Amino acid sequence: KAGVTQTPRYLIKTRGQQVTLSCSPISGHRSVSWYQQTPGQGLQFLFEYFSETQRNKGNFPGRFSGRQFSNSRSEMNVSTLELGDSALYLCASSLTSGINEQFFGPGTRLTVL
Amino acid sequence: GDSVTQMEGPVTLSEEAFLTINCTYTATGYPSLFWYVQYPGEGLQLLLKATKADDKGSNKGFEATYRKETTSFHLEKGSVQVSDSAVYFCALSDQSMIYNQGGKLIFGQGTELSVKP
Repeated sequence: KAGVTQTPRYLIKTRGQQVTLSCSPISGHRSVSWYQQTPGQGLQFLFEYFSETQRNKGNFPGRFSGRQFSNSRSEMNVSTLELGDSALYLCASSLTSGINEQFFGPGTRLTVL
Repeated sequence: GDSVTQMEGPVTLSEEAFLTINCTYTATGYPSLFWYVQYPGEGLQLLLKATKADDKGSNKGFEATYRKETTSFHLEKGSVQVSDSAVYFCALSDQSMIYNQGGKLIFGQGTELSVKP
């Protein structure tokens, strides 16, 4: 069974631009969560989607948004990029919302210059 | 709010040494507890979990026991190998997850382990 895949693996953007990251969950998994990992703040929850609906949201500004498609694939978007948005963005999938075993993808490394 | 505190790293051990990485938590309700491992350049892999008090999670020689009285979930391994070098994260399931209101894990800061031959 294929694991969680994330594309692209690496991105370089400049301040003010926007970016879209993609996540394909494990086949049959319907819940997708996103996390931001930085050396200073560690791993922080961004949001979770289940059945195309946002179920939970972390404490991030509105520049961070996401969506989920009918095939459970998810995208997250960051608009008006800031230097502090440089991070590893991790996607995790689980069978359904509220199930606590989450499987993580390899992440997308975003660098903002 | 809920939180997880891990011992600071880096932790450097010789091969075959005993490993303990301390993890304590603060939470309302009865969270599930997890240890994840992250190898260089990779995402997180679930190492083990425990869903209720006194449960012991184990995998690949690693163990951790859910201690409600001390709010701890310390990771142990009797004999580490060079291949165990990685960053280890302790995490708990947020209350919203328990009430089926979404999936959110709260992580500790991570502890880097380096094992020398």
